[in-house]
Amino acid sequence: QSALTQPRSVSGSPGQSVTISCTGTNSDIGDYDYVSWYQQHPGKAPKLMTYDVIKRPSGVPDRFSGSKSGNTASLTISGLQAEDEADYYCCSYVARYTWVFGGGTKLTVL
Amino acid sequence: QVQLQESGPGLVKPSETLALTCSVSADSRSSDYWSWIRQPPGKGLEWIGYIYSNGNTNYNPSLKGRVSISIDTSKSQFSLTLNSVTAADTAVYYCARGLSFRAFDIWGQGTMVTVSS
Repeated sequence: QSALTQPRSVSGSPGQSVTISCTGTNSDIGDYDYVSWYQQHPGKAPKLMTYDVIKRPSGVPDRFSGSKSGNTASLTISGLQAEDEADYYCCSYVARYTWVFGGGTKLTVL
Repeated sequence: QVQLQESGPGLVKPSETLALTCSVSADSRSSDYWSWIRQPPGKGLEWIGYIYSNGNTNYNPSLKGRVSISIDTSKSQFSLTLNSVTAADTAVYYCARGLSFRAFDIWGQGTMVTVSS
C-alpha cells in the first residue's frame, strides 16, 4: 500500500483559512468514509482532529473541518491561530484491518 | 481518561529483535482495537500493525514476516516485536487506541528506538 499524497507545506496568516489535501485511490479514500486527520506539534504525539471524514472529537474547535470528494480528502482550518502551526497527517482505512497515512503537511502561520 | 505508555529498550543492535510494551491505564476494555505506529526521525507516520482484543492481528505488508503483536488483557498491555532490525527501523514508536477501525483516538507519548551497534 502506498502512502497517501499530501502537500509538503502550506501557509496562511492569522485569521485566514487554509486547506490541506490528501489524495489516495479507489482502494482507500475512495472506498471508505474512514478518513482521519492528526495534528502533531514538534516532539509531541499526534492528536486526532477529525474522523469519519467530517466528525470532530470532543474538545477540537469547530475551526477544523474535514471533507471528501472522490479519492481526495481535505482538512480546512479557518480563523488560523498561531497555535495551529504544526504538522498534519491524514489517514485512511484500507480494508481488512489495514491503515495508511499521508506523508504529512507542515502548516506555517505567517 | 485512558492513557497509554510505551516501554522498552531505547537501543537495539542491528539484526536483533526490538520489543516494546504498551501499558493501558484505566479500563482496557474501552476499545477492542489497539495499534502500533512509528515515525522515523524527520519523517511521517507509518502504521505497523493492529491487534483486536481477541488476539486477531494484521500487519503492514511492508513489515510482514518481521513483526508480531500480542495482547495480555489481564495486564492491560499489548506488545510489539520486530525481528532482524536495521537502521531503517530507527524511529519513535507509538502505541494507539483505535476508535473502532475508524481512527486512532488516544496515543502514547512515544518511545525512541535507535538501531545501532
